[in-house]
Amino acid sequence: EIVMTQSPATLSVSPGERVALSCRASQSVSSDLAWYQHKPGQPPRLLVYGASTRATGIPARFSGSGSGTEFTLTINSLQSEDFAVYYCQQYHQWPPFTFGPGTTVDI
Amino acid sequence: VQLVQSGAELKKPGESLKISCLASGYTFNKYWIGWVRHLPGRGLQWMGMIDPGDSDARYSPSFEGHVSISADRSINTAYLQWSSLRASDTAIYFCVRFATMTRLFYDYWGQGSLVTVSS
Repeated sequence: EIVMTQSPATLSVSPGERVALSCRASQSVSSDLAWYQHKPGQPPRLLVYGASTRATGIPARFSGSGSGTEFTLTINSLQSEDFAVYYCQQYHQWPPFTFGPGTTVDI
Repeated sequence: VQLVQSGAELKKPGESLKISCLASGYTFNKYWIGWVRHLPGRGLQWMGMIDPGDSDARYSPSFEGHVSISADRSINTAYLQWSSLRASDTAIYFCVRFATMTRLFYDYWGQGSLVTVSS
């Protein structure tokens, strides 16, 4: 099973700041990496797939990068609606598909 | 595209349960449907998936033998079923649609079904 780790666990930031969230895989997942945003009371939302491709309707301030075992989700000019938990997920090797433990972005 | 899940359930340990996910807005049998468990404070876990076209189901080793996934193409509905619930099954369960058969991330999510198992 591929183990995903994320850092930091929690990030306290102010609106307008730029943040970089890290995701690491225990072995190479090539570019088979997705990022999801999860807000309380809502289902998660797909942000990025293929490590760097924004999903439909996702604002340009979200960008993904990386390949192999190291990935980053960058949010430029954080908006109030961006405060949420962010998960990475690998879909390179399964079963099982595996998620990271999440990074909470809060004020 | 919409995935609409059944409502919240309160069950006792040992009871059985079947929750549903009604798909609309696309051809149901052309996309895998999966189930993801959310334990607040503990993240997301992929449980398994099914090809509605032929009902081929695959499971995470962590859940195999404890849950069953099925689908009814005639009513565009996927199911997640337990024959004997445990308190540790208390969680929110999401159904998800895989983007394609080769791009195995989730482009649509149901609203979630809260399952509470308590004596």
